[in-house]
Amino acid sequence: KAGVTQTPRYLIKTRGQQVTLSCSPISGHRSVSWYQQTPGQGLQFLFEYFSETQRNKGNFPGRFSGRQFSNSRSEMNVSTLELGDSALYLCASSLSVAKNIQYFGAGTRLSVL
Amino acid sequence: SQELEQSPQSLIVQEGKNLTINCTSSKTLYGLYWYKQKYGEGLIFLMMLQKGGEEKSHEKITAKLDEKKQQSSLHITASQPSHAGIYLCGAARSRQGGSEKLVFGKGTKLTVNP
Repeated sequence: KAGVTQTPRYLIKTRGQQVTLSCSPISGHRSVSWYQQTPGQGLQFLFEYFSETQRNKGNFPGRFSGRQFSNSRSEMNVSTLELGDSALYLCASSLSVAKNIQYFGAGTRLSVL
Repeated sequence: SQELEQSPQSLIVQEGKNLTINCTSSKTLYGLYWYKQKYGEGLIFLMMLQKGGEEKSHEKITAKLDEKKQQSSLHITASQPSHAGIYLCGAARSRQGGSEKLVFGKGTKLTVNP
């Protein structure tokens, strides 16, 4: 069974641009969560989607948004990029929304110049 | 302050030595996850502990959950260079409707010298 796939693996953008990251969950998994990881703040929860609905949201500005498609694939979008958005963005999938192990992808490394 | 505090922040051991990493929660623990991360890569699931007193082992790694102390420990026996990486503990925080999010500690960086 294929694991969680994130694309692209690396991205370089400039301030003010927007970016879209993609996540394909493990087959059969319906819940997808997104996390931001930085050296200073560690791993922080962005949002979670289940059955195309956002079920949970972290404390990030509205520039960070996401969506989930009917096949459970998910995208997250960051608009008006800032230098501080440089981070490793991780996606995790699980069977459902509670008491289920989350399996992580390899991440997308975003650098904002 | 951090909901999950991990100690130590970093650890350097000689191959073959035993070591313990601790994770303490400032809130009630209903379940705890341990993950391992190689630098700049995704997290690899190690173990999930759900009940107080629960102990699980996988190869040379053992994790325990002490609900009363709101603490979990990860113990590696006879460490090997392959154990090197960043170990993160995560705890589930429930929201309405049963949805959960995971909060994580900042991680413990383990170096194993041959």
